[in-house]
Amino acid sequence: SYELIQPPSVSVSPGQTASLTCSGDKLGTKYACWYQQKPGQSPVLVIYQDTKRPSGIPERFSGSNSGSTAALTISGTQAMDEADYYCQAWDSSTVVFGGGTKLTVL
Amino acid sequence: QVQLQESGPGLVKPSETLSLTCSISGASVSTYYWSWIRQPPGKGLGWIGYISYSGSTNYNPSLKSRVTISVDTSKNQFSLKLTSVTAADTAVYYCARFAYDSGGNFDYWGQGTVVTVSS
Repeated sequence: SYELIQPPSVSVSPGQTASLTCSGDKLGTKYACWYQQKPGQSPVLVIYQDTKRPSGIPERFSGSNSGSTAALTISGTQAMDEADYYCQAWDSSTVVFGGGTKLTVL
Repeated sequence: QVQLQESGPGLVKPSETLSLTCSISGASVSTYYWSWIRQPPGKGLGWIGYISYSGSTNYNPSLKSRVTISVDTSKNQFSLKLTSVTAADTAVYYCARFAYDSGGNFDYWGQGTVVTVSS
């Protein structure tokens, strides 16, 4: 079965750039998307179709996908960006989530 | 604005059937795809399955033998049934809209409902 691999944790200083990765076999041939989840809340879609931002998502969130790795980049990271982030792809009619990365802003 | 609301028992006994309903407002259940996702305590998101606007379904292979997702167009709802539950099925259960036409993502989510499997 298809798997998406994310590092368990990433730390970033306020104002710096955070880079979160998601790896999967030939992931670049599929669309990747990203969700932000804060404690006690439902996930929120922050990037879809590799690079697109839904309405209301700040411009500091951007995405890329090539080869076997998709990436979520947060420029000028703010304290409010501290959350769990999940990547997700749709492969052969099956939906797959990565295990999630906890982003700490310190 | 699309809104989703899960409902159902918060406590289910082992070996019994978990049943949840998702009520939709701001969209028709007869359009788009609709999905269930769960999150065990302290763990990541897990896709359960989805149902299309035509009624076809697709389930997580690891749950396929125990899962049924169905639609009630008269009530604008869709439902989840998970049979023979165990403690491992304890989780927050979310319903969500699956945007199949934009790369396959979940663009609207319910608030989630906690289901505990315990005797």
